[in-house]
Amino acid sequence: QKEVEQNSGPLSVPEGAIASLNCTYSDRGSQSFFWYRQYSGKSPELIMSIYSNGDKEDGRFTAQLNKASQYVSLLIRDSQPSDSATYLCAVKGGNKLVFGAGTILRVKS
Amino acid sequence: GAVVSQHPSWVICKSGTSVKIECRSLDFQATTMFWYRQFPKQSLMLMATSNEGSKATYEQGVEKDKFLINHASLTLSTLTVTSAHPEDSSFYICSARETYRGSYGYTFGSGTRLTVV
Repeated sequence: QKEVEQNSGPLSVPEGAIASLNCTYSDRGSQSFFWYRQYSGKSPELIMSIYSNGDKEDGRFTAQLNKASQYVSLLIRDSQPSDSATYLCAVKGGNKLVFGAGTILRVKS
Repeated sequence: GAVVSQHPSWVICKSGTSVKIECRSLDFQATTMFWYRQFPKQSLMLMATSNEGSKATYEQGVEKDKFLINHASLTLSTLTVTSAHPEDSSFYICSARETYRGSYGYTFGSGTRLTVV
């Protein structure tokens, strides 16, 4: 059974701080990784995808991947109250996405 | 970017009736779509993979006779919850995969909140 693990949180950070979200996965052969943001009552929206070891930056978001450690993270710089949501880590297994349970992020103004 | 439209956004039905949910890829063709269910404060659970022109592939524990999936075209997949019961009340979300700029992503529809009374 392929697993994706996330700390459920909630993770609370002050406005303007860096939020760090972490995810580990069990399938060493996984090649594709995704971060989604989900607001309460809404469907997930894709923030970033990452396929290679290292960092990938997009605006205030940076995804980090370490395949040797089977670890992927998402950094949110200059956190805003509007970033408050559940962040889902997803790993592609075959043709499907396997989701973690999600981490609740709360950005306090 | 890729857009996946899902309809209806919410529905209330009586126990024992059937409900159909539609999922459309608006600006791309999707040979494969995915159906998820999400209970409150839980993550997304994949129910089935919908394949255009062929039978859906269901995940273990999902009743294929209860959750009927039809993927008749490259842009439309439907999920029918048959003989719905209150325990079927949930948030149902479809997803499709699109390739763009050498990369790809899985785009989600807006979801359907089903309440069975």
